[in-house]
Amino acid sequence: SQQGEEDPQALSIQEGENATMNCSYKTSINNLQWYRQNSGRGLVHLILIRSNEREKHSGRLRVTLDTSKKSSSLLITASRAADTASYFCATDSWNTDKLIFGTGTRLQVFP
Amino acid sequence: SQTIHQWPATLVQPVGSPLSLECTVEGTSNPNLYWYRQAAGRGLQLLFYSVGIGQISSEVPQNLSASRPQDQQFILSSKKLLLSDSGFYLCAWNLDRGHGYTFGSGTRLTVV
Repeated sequence: SQQGEEDPQALSIQEGENATMNCSYKTSINNLQWYRQNSGRGLVHLILIRSNEREKHSGRLRVTLDTSKKSSSLLITASRAADTASYFCATDSWNTDKLIFGTGTRLQVFP
Repeated sequence: SQTIHQWPATLVQPVGSPLSLECTVEGTSNPNLYWYRQAAGRGLQLLFYSVGIGQISSEVPQNLSASRPQDQQFILSSKKLLLSDSGFYLCAWNLDRGHGYTFGSGTRLTVV
């Protein structure tokens, strides 16, 4: 079953612009994670934010978490063509040992 | 350093044939291991996970099974493949909650 839903499903921007992707989930979480997937490849872990955190940064990535709204956003600043990929959020609930993924956002960055 | 190996990269199998996909992790002990399937252009569906040797949790009743014969080995199997088993299969591991997953490079399975 899907826990997270990303919005938008697809996003096209020019190099240098910022890209924002949103994720909504349904149940209480222990943490929320963002992953990146290049076409036909495995997923790469980008960043993890715990349920008691509100914002986290890693390089050009900024993640926010609003547990009252059960939502998260991923911001990629100063995007590059190499950022073209699909981005997934995933949630880890308190009572399980498994990560449930959302449906993903396909990001296209044009040079 | 830890590495995860998944093979084969691509596989074309006829309907009704058996399947065996293998995943191994090196450089760590007692990892949690996961099998996911991804349909074309879709998100990831958790199929099986294992927190230890011989411990398998199944998420979706289906035509597949999983086994963990060794601490660092996770195998996905089927006795008879269906067309609907086609997809991109991904193995992943982590040590405990609070850490991200490390994924293998995936196996593209096409059942014909």
